[in-house]
Amino acid sequence: KNEVEQSPQNLTAQEGEFITINCSYSVGISALHWLQQHPGGGIVSLFMLSSGKKKHGRLIATINIQEKHSSLHITASHPRDSAVYICAVRSIQGAQKLVFGQGTRLTINP
Amino acid sequence: DTGVSQDPRHKITKRGQNVTFRCDPISEHNRLYWYRQTLGQGPEFLTYFQNEAQLEKSRLLSDRFSAERPKGSFSTLEIQRTEQGDSAMYLCASSLGGQGGEQYFGPGTRLTVT
Repeated sequence: KNEVEQSPQNLTAQEGEFITINCSYSVGISALHWLQQHPGGGIVSLFMLSSGKKKHGRLIATINIQEKHSSLHITASHPRDSAVYICAVRSIQGAQKLVFGQGTRLTINP
Repeated sequence: DTGVSQDPRHKITKRGQNVTFRCDPISEHNRLYWYRQTLGQGPEFLTYFQNEAQLEKSRLLSDRFSAERPKGSFSTLEIQRTEQGDSAMYLCASSLGGQGGEQYFGPGTRLTVT
């Protein structure tokens, strides 16, 4: 079992829909990241969370440390939101590396 | 541009050849990471430097792989005797020291081994 699991793996929705992507992890963490990857490979950091909730524009990220679960929400989705969204965690074991989920491929149709 | 840069962006090589990639981190960042991403998968950790010291290496980093960061600034990742299974996107990231340091990613180098 992977240390970081995302669901769904693929998601197709219509423009304007509310989107939720889920991430569960099995290790103790010091931080959780949500990343966005567009075709061509570049990765952009959206959020870094250690507790609670963060909001940036139409994006909202939440984390429940006790349940080892995080969600990324997109409100009023737009075709330009189409990308792969990746959850990654940094273990509390002292290593600085990130452990990544497999990613969720999101397609927003006009 | 003060972001993380990687060179080359694309590399096509024949099996058995050696390749070297370069990563230039954000200038004040003392930590540098290499990750590998195969098609349809999330990135996987390869190795990590703090300044010039290589502090951790993944078991994915076979003896054909070597990484250096000689002056604590740019880093190189060399793959010797490339195999088709080495085809992947090689990502570099950098961060400022401390547990809360957010990692900033470069655009990646896409390697294709034919």
